[in-house]
Amino acid sequence: GESVGLHLPTLSVQEGDNSIINCAYSNSASDYFIWYKQESGKGPQFIIDIRSNMDKRQGQRVTVLLNKTVKHLSLQIAATQPGDSAVYFCAERETSGSRLTFGEGTQLTVNP
Amino acid sequence: KAGVTQTPRYLIKTRGQQVTLSCSPISGHRSVSWYQQTPGQGLQFLFEYFSETQRNKGNFPGRFSGRQFSNSRSEMNVSTLELGDSALYLCASSLADGTDTQYFGPGTRLTVL
Repeated sequence: GESVGLHLPTLSVQEGDNSIINCAYSNSASDYFIWYKQESGKGPQFIIDIRSNMDKRQGQRVTVLLNKTVKHLSLQIAATQPGDSAVYFCAERETSGSRLTFGEGTQLTVNP
Repeated sequence: KAGVTQTPRYLIKTRGQQVTLSCSPISGHRSVSWYQQTPGQGLQFLFEYFSETQRNKGNFPGRFSGRQFSNSRSEMNVSTLELGDSALYLCASSLADGTDTQYFGPGTRLTVL
């Protein structure tokens, strides 16, 4: 079936640097994309979302970019902090459904 | 406002047994979705309930079932447990019919021995 995948399983950055986490999706019918953060022992926590009629959306220290032409999604975290260390998942959803399809996740480690 | 709550948080069962997991959505949320998370398969969609009706179902065997009550609380049941059912089971709720943002609970860690 359709799937969403991540390019990098692990990412290590220095505190204060900017982080970029990438995601490729294959379902052209997807129109809604979400980034979740999952810390050890917790459920996924919503970070930011974007709809397919947009190509960029900004939140607090985070920006999501969507390139529908190449089916690519990225999450940028500014001034990365140790508390940002977690696994980050992208997820996509089709217009007509409620099912989220998740990528494999990227482990972000922030070094002090 | 309280978040999504799941009970129990941890569960140990043996093969062949059955288990029931519970999820209470955020107040006012009417849609509840269930996901299974394993190291090998990642996060996979099980099913979604809205207004006590199953609206969507993933590719899991019939041993996995669920239901939703009139107060939007949901339960999922797994019968005849197999070792491969060991996983973190996550519940997510959303305001309307699942087409808006889904918020996750902490999950129930099921271990099958």
